Amino acid sequence: QVQLQESGPGLVKPSQTLSLTCTVSGGSISSGTYYWTWIRQPAGKGLEWIGRIYTSGSTSYNPSLRSRLTISIDTSKNQFSLNLSSVTAADTAVYYCTRSPGFDIWGQGTMVTVSS
Amino acid sequence: QSVLTQPPSVSAAPGQKVTISCSGSSSDIGTNSVSWYQQLPGTAPKRLIYENNKRPSGIPDRFSGSKSGTSATLDITGLQTGDEADYYCGTWDNSLSAVVLFGGGTKLTVL
Repeated sequence: QVQLQESGPGLVKPSQTLSLTCTVSGGSISSGTYYWTWIRQPAGKGLEWIGRIYTSGSTSYNPSLRSRLTISIDTSKNQFSLNLSSVTAADTAVYYCTRSPGFDIWGQGTMVTVSS
Repeated sequence: QSVLTQPPSVSAAPGQKVTISCSGSSSDIGTNSVSWYQQLPGTAPKRLIYENNKRPSGIPDRFSGSKSGTSATLDITGLQTGDEADYYCGTWDNSLSAVVLFGGGTKLTVL
């Protein structure tokens, strides 16, 4: 069964770049017609869709983050990644990777704090 | 502020039924199917309902969803203490370059 696992630094300084990787196990990231997706959740708040990538490399981003966001995929490593530049405290959140359509499988989430 | 509107909280006694609403617009719920997610404290969201009213395998039939116009509802019958969680609705918004929208979440308390 497919599982997702986020990894990356838990602390990022303001103005720097937040980089996270999601590793897909139990199946190939290239199989099926899935969009590999990032979602985040600030503490005590709701879910925010960040963006997604298809195995072809085609991406869709949340307009509110588009200018700072890059999502990439490495099919050889069965991973996809998120880079969010010029971070501020407002980017502090739990970051989840998941797949769509359906958001049927989620990673456990990784907490990222933006602080000096 | 979330584009999809949910009540911040609902509550009911064990064994009772509760309904959680999700209100949107013609460009999101009015056009696209709705999913519902359950988030237990400290865990990742879990899909409960997809395509308005379909349950993934393993989800009890106590959970049901429906959609009418620009609103959707999640019904939970036979409430159990283990149902205490945050519930989110989600759908696509055609007016914003295929962005996924979520409701602000509803905290269910089983009294």
